[in-house]
Amino acid sequence: EAQVTQNPRYLITVTGKKLTVTCSQNMNHEYMSWYRQDPGLGLRQIYYSMNVEVTDKGDVPEGYKVSRKEKRNFPLILESPSPNQTSLYFCASSLRRGGLGETQYFGPGTRLLVL
Amino acid sequence: GQQLNQSPQSMFIQEGEDVSMNCTSSSIFNTWLWYKQDPGEGPVLLIALYKAGELTSNGRLTAQFGITRKDSFLNISASIPSDVGIYFCAGQPSQMGNQFYFGTGTSLTVIP
Repeated sequence: EAQVTQNPRYLITVTGKKLTVTCSQNMNHEYMSWYRQDPGLGLRQIYYSMNVEVTDKGDVPEGYKVSRKEKRNFPLILESPSPNQTSLYFCASSLRRGGLGETQYFGPGTRLLVL
Repeated sequence: GQQLNQSPQSMFIQEGEDVSMNCTSSSIFNTWLWYKQDPGEGPVLLIALYKAGELTSNGRLTAQFGITRKDSFLNISASIPSDVGIYFCAGQPSQMGNQFYFGTGTSLTVIP
């Protein structure tokens, strides 16, 4: 089954404790992206990747890192989480770059609470 | 960052009624997309629009890419209870490469 998986689905942590949210897709997609969703703000793009070893900042990259060592995986790293990073995070992928109506498939989301 | 203004924020309608929502941006977009998000899930693409003036349908859903390239509209005809959810517009500004921007969402409630 074609899908985007994220782990963990729920995470409670404390300020400053490094964490990684994994994202994996089994569709051989080139384009992958991370978003955060906050009430009243919709989804905002954090980082995206056009292909292996090619990543770029989205609209709200501060406080986040990503890597794309393999095509299928695109982990989101919070080196020193802060309470303002409490949010719902979505990973998404599409076959090629996400323009021209390429369908982005979204993962189920990771709900993060930073105390 | 880019601002996408989506309205209305929420709608409560009777089953069978038609629904209209729109999205405007401060700059020109190359692509407009409409997504639906069910509770506890990620957004799912409904309709993609590629050029100004384009009108595209997907079942009871119809969306249009505004002539100015700064707006888009989504209409749902004869609403049913399973239309409940949050609808998001999204797109790519012509000057911003491969970045995506999403609207703030329209929450739709359909009363049986």
